[in-house]
Amino acid sequence: NAGVTQTPKFRVLKTGQSMTLLCAQDMNHEYMYWYRQDPGMGLRLIHYSVGEGTTAKGEVPDGYNVSRLKKQNFLLGLESAAPSQTSVYFCASSNHARTGNTIYFGEGSWLTVV
Amino acid sequence: DQQVKQNSPSLSVQEGRISILNCDYTNSMFDYFLWYKKYPAEGPTFLISISSIKDKNEDGRFTVFLNKSAKHLSLHIVPSQPGDSAVYFCAARSGNTGKLIFGQGTTLQVKP
Repeated sequence: NAGVTQTPKFRVLKTGQSMTLLCAQDMNHEYMYWYRQDPGMGLRLIHYSVGEGTTAKGEVPDGYNVSRLKKQNFLLGLESAAPSQTSVYFCASSNHARTGNTIYFGEGSWLTVV
Repeated sequence: DQQVKQNSPSLSVQEGRISILNCDYTNSMFDYFLWYKKYPAEGPTFLISISSIKDKNEDGRFTVFLNKSAKHLSLHIVPSQPGDSAVYFCAARSGNTGKLIFGQGTTLQVKP
């Protein structure tokens, strides 16, 4: 049972480089989310999607772009990485917005920008 | 502007005793509150939730209390076990998109 899978798990980038984090879920969920976790800041929502072909901004969207071309995939892109984007990134998905306990998280992607 | 706050970064409790983790929020429009547990190098996992129309929800050793007038919720773990040692995040649901606003987290250490 894969659930929510994130790739890559670890990555080191140089300032100015670009990269894409891939999130895949096999639960046929409509809603998908990208969070980042930083010390003392909890998890902050970057972008989210309420269905295939839709995306919306969260709390901290600057410097990131997302795409939801397929229902099962949610991509997070960094066009020009900055040291402030060093963080742990978590993808999540849920099947029904009314039921809070159906939000499932991936294991995280550790990104370091030097 | 932190809408969900966990003011205690850490908590240490003896095994068998009660652990009480607290959370405050500012937005009265939140309709659902959740607690997530997170171990190092893993994603958060759902623990327990409560609707804004209730004041208590219990699941085994875990109970969540909601005080809407004070905009405060708490998670009680009784009895605490060493395996409960983890970071606990309080979260509130905003609107009908399912997105969650998280607190900063509280690191719970349960000592044997």
